[in-house]
This record gives sequence, structure tokens and C-alpha cells, in this order.
Amino acid sequence: QSALTQPPSASGSPGQSVTISCTGTSSDVGGYNYVFWFQQNPGKAPKLMIYEVSKRPSGVPDRFSGSKSGNTASLTVSGLQAEDEADYYCSSYASSNNLLFGGGTKLTVL
Amino acid sequence: EVQLVESGGGLVQPGGSLRLSCAASGFTFSSYAMSWVRQAPGKGLEWVSSISGSGGSTYYADSVKGRFTISRDSSKNTLYLQMTSLRVEDTAVYYCATPRDTVTTFSPAYWGQGTLVTVSS
Repeated sequence: QSALTQPPSASGSPGQSVTISCTGTSSDVGGYNYVFWFQQNPGKAPKLMIYEVSKRPSGVPDRFSGSKSGNTASLTVSGLQAEDEADYYCSSYASSNNLLFGGGTKLTVL
Repeated sequence: EVQLVESGGGLVQPGGSLRLSCAASGFTFSSYAMSWVRQAPGKGLEWVSSISGSGGSTYYADSVKGRFTISRDSSKNTLYLQMTSLRVEDTAVYYCATPRDTVTTFSPAYWGQGTLVTVSS
């Protein structure tokens, strides 16, 4: 199966909101509520930011929110802060028992 | 606190073999599925394989099926990835990961720090 589609880059100024999209198919994003978002800083392991489309693990700021419409999931970061600059990856369970990842989006805080 | 520590990475020639380990602590290992996810240098994340808590069900990405074997030893709280017939394109940092709950399999929540596998002649 093909990877999920994310924009390669996104940017915003401090305090602004930015939304990163993640497009799949009805066999993955659109078919299941198992969509995840990860933040990855250089040289570090990915960190879970959103699970099951819109749930936030404890410790993740409520500036991070997730949603889904049809075959596209979205991560919104509100009130951008310099520390939010990182790579973001979406992921989804897919039929035939596998896990797909998006290509990643580099978020720049201007 | 969940802790996952990978080991076993290194330099191997094309066609060679390597076994990765992931030592787990801070949770009831036998109750949770485990997964391996890799990241080639400068590239994105790629799911490699998952195994159920009991070890009775295993799943593989098409790119590694028939070459890699995932297993677990609950007496040692350790996850393994036996890699054979290695290719240059298998070069990556390999992460082990586990879900937040005992119900799901394909939902990596906690990640180790990764171990680098380099396949080169």
C-alpha cells in the first residue's frame, strides 16, 4: 500500500495557527479511527502527539488538535511557539493488518 | 515509566544477517503488542513489523516479508527482529514501539531511542 500524503512543508508565525493535512484512502484514514500524529526533532525518536484521530496524550499541550473528514486527517497547531518547529508524521492503521505513515511535514516557525 | 532500549545495530554487508533486540520495562510486557518502525537516513518513517502480546500473531511490511522475523521473549521482557538477506535499502534507524493500551496492535505510542543498521560493502 502507498504511504499517506502530507505536504512536505508548512510554516507560520508565533501565535498563529497552522494545519497539516494527511490524505489516504477509504482503506486506511477514511476507514478507521486509528490515525496518529507524531512530532520528531532532529536526532530524536518520534513523540506521540495525537492518537485515535483527536485524542491527546497527557503532557501534550492543548494547542495541538486532530480531526478527520473522509479520507483526510488534519493536525492543527494553534498559538504556534518556537518549540513546535519539528517534523510531523501522520500514521494510520490500514486494512490487511499494516500501518501506514505519511512522508512527513517540516513545520517552520517564522 | 515505559522504557524501550534497542540494541544490536551495526555495519553488515549486503546479504548478511543481524538480530536487533529491544529491552522493555515499566509495563506488563506480555500484555502489549510490539512493533518495529524504521527510518532511512534523511527519510520518513516506515512500519516494518508487529507482534501480538502473546506472540501468536505476527505482521510484516511487504518490503521485509520473508526476510525479517519478529519474535518476543516474555521471560526476558525483550523483543527481537531477526534480519536476513539484508539489502542496502534496509539501512535505517530501527525503533521499537508499543501501544498505549493492551487492545490495539498497530498504534505505536512509546518509542525507544533507536539503533542504526548500515548495510554496505
